[in-house]
Amino acid sequence: TQLLEQSPQFLSIQEGENLTVYCNSSSVFSSLQWYRQEPGEGPVLLVTVVTGGEVKKLKRLTFQFGDARKDSSLHITAAQPGDTGLYLCAVNFGNEKLTFGTGTRLTIIP
Amino acid sequence: NAGVTQTPKFRVLKTGQSMTLLCAQDMNHEYMYWYRQDPGMGLRLIHYSVGEGTTAKGEVPDGYNVSRLKKQNFLLGLESAAPSQTSVYFCASSYSQGASTAYEQYFGPGTRLTVT
Repeated sequence: TQLLEQSPQFLSIQEGENLTVYCNSSSVFSSLQWYRQEPGEGPVLLVTVVTGGEVKKLKRLTFQFGDARKDSSLHITAAQPGDTGLYLCAVNFGNEKLTFGTGTRLTIIP
Repeated sequence: NAGVTQTPKFRVLKTGQSMTLLCAQDMNHEYMYWYRQDPGMGLRLIHYSVGEGTTAKGEVPDGYNVSRLKKQNFLLGLESAAPSQTSVYFCASSYSQGASTAYEQYFGPGTRLTVT
């Protein structure tokens, strides 16, 4: 059984601060995706990383894929209230399914 | 494009009743999935389909059945609902990207089901 852990489970910070959330797997995976889910809606894809050591940027969000292909981080610079939501990582172990983490619930306080 | 749509949005069932959740996608995606989301449990895969006429079990298939008679539709059935099936159900679709297959998921808005 492949395990996927996200940390922290909950995070509440002031607007303008920086933050990092983490996604760790017990096994090596082929690719990793980050999603954001807002209340009452389905998750929306933010980014996909497929190469060990890869770094991708999406405005104030920076995504990093670990060299060993077992972990990833999401860093948000100068957080804004619009960043509030549930952040989910999901990994592909080489088949047509994804395994999702339990998520980090982020709250940005104005 | 509507993307992925789900009906109904909300439903309340009594224990033992049956119902079918409908998912439709207009992106010509090969792959479709049903997940349930419970507090603290993340998204768990119930069943999925890799093409029209095919279905496969996911992580938590017991108590559910599915059918994919048309490429654009994926139905999830509960034959005899139980309180443990109270959850939010999400449908998603995906496609293969060849060498860098990542199966990026496109989700519907969800169905909130309560079983009393």
